[in-house]
Amino acid sequence: AQSVTQLDSHVSVSEGTPVLLRCNYSSSYSPSLFWYVQHPNKGLQLLLKYTSAATLVKGINGFEAEFKKSETSFHLTKPSAHMSDAAEYFCVVSDGQGAQKLVFGQGTRLTINP
Amino acid sequence: DTAVSQTPKYLVTQMGNDKSIKCEQNLGHDTMYWYKQDSKKFLKIMFSYNNKELIINETVPNRFSPKSPDKAHLNLHINSLELGDSAVYFCASSQDLYRRPRPLGYTFGSGTRLTVV
Repeated sequence: AQSVTQLDSHVSVSEGTPVLLRCNYSSSYSPSLFWYVQHPNKGLQLLLKYTSAATLVKGINGFEAEFKKSETSFHLTKPSAHMSDAAEYFCVVSDGQGAQKLVFGQGTRLTINP
Repeated sequence: DTAVSQTPKYLVTQMGNDKSIKCEQNLGHDTMYWYKQDSKKFLKIMFSYNNKELIINETVPNRFSPKSPDKAHLNLHINSLELGDSAVYFCASSQDLYRRPRPLGYTFGSGTRLTVV
């Protein structure tokens, strides 16, 4: 069975500084991995996805993530934080088998300080 | 031209009532899902339908009954509502999961915030 662990429940950075949100996964199959963002009282928006092509994945709004199989990690980064990045971020795994169920991490709340 | 739309956006109701949440997608997707987000923001799948056929049914009380009249709609009916049912319910859709290569990624609706008092 798949699982996801987001290592930080809350990350706080200053505007203009780098962002790092950490995610480790466990999967019996070759996983597909996603990062979703949820702004306050809003729905879920796909930031980026890894599907066994390039290990460095670029997403929207300047975010990117690197798939590292040896470390079973899929950390999300952004070189320079913007106030509008404040939101809840979810790391998600799907084993791509069967019914394509998504398994969510617990979420990381990102706060941006002016 | 909303891709996945849910109604209502907010729902406040008393314990013991029966309520429904509707979901429609205009993306031509074959698979639809219901997810529940609890008060700690944790998201978990409840149900999945592919072409009107139930394919995922997680451990959900029998009071929850999904209905898919056609592949563009997946409604969620909840009987005898309890306080613990308070949550945000998200509908989502994805392309035909039996296609090869397998398409990936969901499109989520904006959620329905259910409050049981």
